[in-house]
Amino acid sequence: AQSVTQLGSHVSVSEGALVLLRCNYSSSVPPYLFWYVQYPNQGLQLLLKYTTGATLVKGINGFEAEFKKSETSFHLTKPSAHMSDAAEYFCAVSALIKAAGNKLTFGGGTRVLVKP
Amino acid sequence: EAGVTQFPSHSVIEKGQTVTLRCDPISGHDNLYWYRRVMGKEIKFLLHFVKESKQDESGMPNNRFLAERTGGTYSTLKVQPAELEDSGVYFCASSQDLRGWEQYFGPGTRLTVT
Repeated sequence: AQSVTQLGSHVSVSEGALVLLRCNYSSSVPPYLFWYVQYPNQGLQLLLKYTTGATLVKGINGFEAEFKKSETSFHLTKPSAHMSDAAEYFCAVSALIKAAGNKLTFGGGTRVLVKP
Repeated sequence: EAGVTQFPSHSVIEKGQTVTLRCDPISGHDNLYWYRRVMGKEIKFLLHFVKESKQDESGMPNNRFLAERTGGTYSTLKVQPAELEDSGVYFCASSQDLRGWEQYFGPGTRLTVT
């Protein structure tokens, strides 16, 4: 079984400050890790993913995340927050259990508020 | 290219009524997933289609939920009869890659059962 914990359901950051969203996972098999963002009235959009290879993954809009196996973490960061980053962010885990249709297991989400 | 669309965007029904949600995946995407987020909790997997076949329906909560994907195009998710605990946001996602690493989500249908 897999699970994801996102620390902090709400995070407030100042414009220009570092954005750090924490994600810890549990998986009995090598995980595949994802970060999604949901802007108001829109669907979830994939920010970045880790499957294999380099543990530091760069995504869209200046976000990046680092897979740390020893810490079972996949924290999301952005050096400088922009007002447009205000959204809800979801960490998700999957695993290559099947050849097809591997479902995503999500964390509870973190809503980011950016203060001017 | 059009994204994943879902209809309706909102639905308010009374307990005991029936509701049908529709999802149109991205054209050419054989894989279609349904997820649900109940009132501020985690988004949870419901089921997965490959074309018109159900590959995994392990997340379906009970037999009041029926999903179909006739002809391997759009999908419907029917709740009959609806209960209060069915309220939430129902997301549909589609994927071209068989393993599902690139899932594209629709905006969701917000279902409120009163």
